[in-house]
Amino acid sequence: DTGVSQDPRHKITKRGQNVTFRCDPISEHNRLYWYRQTLGQGPEFLTYFQNEAQLEKSRLLSDRFSAERPKGSFSTLEIQRTEQGDSAMYLCASSPKVRISGNTIYFGEGSWLTVV
Amino acid sequence: RKEVEQDPGPFNVPEGATVAFNCTYSNSASQSFFWYRQDCRKEPKLLMSVYSSGNEDGRFTAQLNRASQYISLLIRDSKLSDSATYLCVVSGGYNKLIFGAGTRLAVHP
Repeated sequence: DTGVSQDPRHKITKRGQNVTFRCDPISEHNRLYWYRQTLGQGPEFLTYFQNEAQLEKSRLLSDRFSAERPKGSFSTLEIQRTEQGDSAMYLCASSPKVRISGNTIYFGEGSWLTVV
Repeated sequence: RKEVEQDPGPFNVPEGATVAFNCTYSNSASQSFFWYRQDCRKEPKLLMSVYSSGNEDGRFTAQLNRASQYISLLIRDSKLSDSATYLCVVSGGYNKLIFGAGTRLAVHP
């Protein structure tokens, strides 16, 4: 499968614990995006990378959140000291270095986080 | 104010009905527009792009009014399989997509 893959697909954690999600984009894609989707809402932009550079971060990305893409390939999203409000689906997407379009961005299946 | 606003629904319609969804966006500089479909607990998937001249794909018709910053999606002859959430999406500059909260559609027999 050469699509965007995310791991783990599901995570249940206790409040206060740290969690990390991994995203493997399509191999030739320069851009990698993280979105968060809570119940009843659309995906909300968190951050994006072009190669290893993090070029934009949303105000939604509090100090407890950190994303990296160290070698311009896979990316990790870490949430420290999780809170119940962090329960959501975390979506990763990748695209080549062209003007963003629905035809050029590919989403992973998402990582579901439940904080209890 | 959210950048992309949609009526959350739900829209409950019988099979064969015609249903229309509306969306407004706040950034007049937005260049590209899309409708995505999202099934329960799945990732969003592109349904169709939206062009200024309006475009049709089978039972689906999308319209864009740049002057009013308004986008619409019309679904004719609704099928049970059309039940999903429909997300209005605009480009946020060159590099990212901005999603609306989605409109839920339930088609019943």
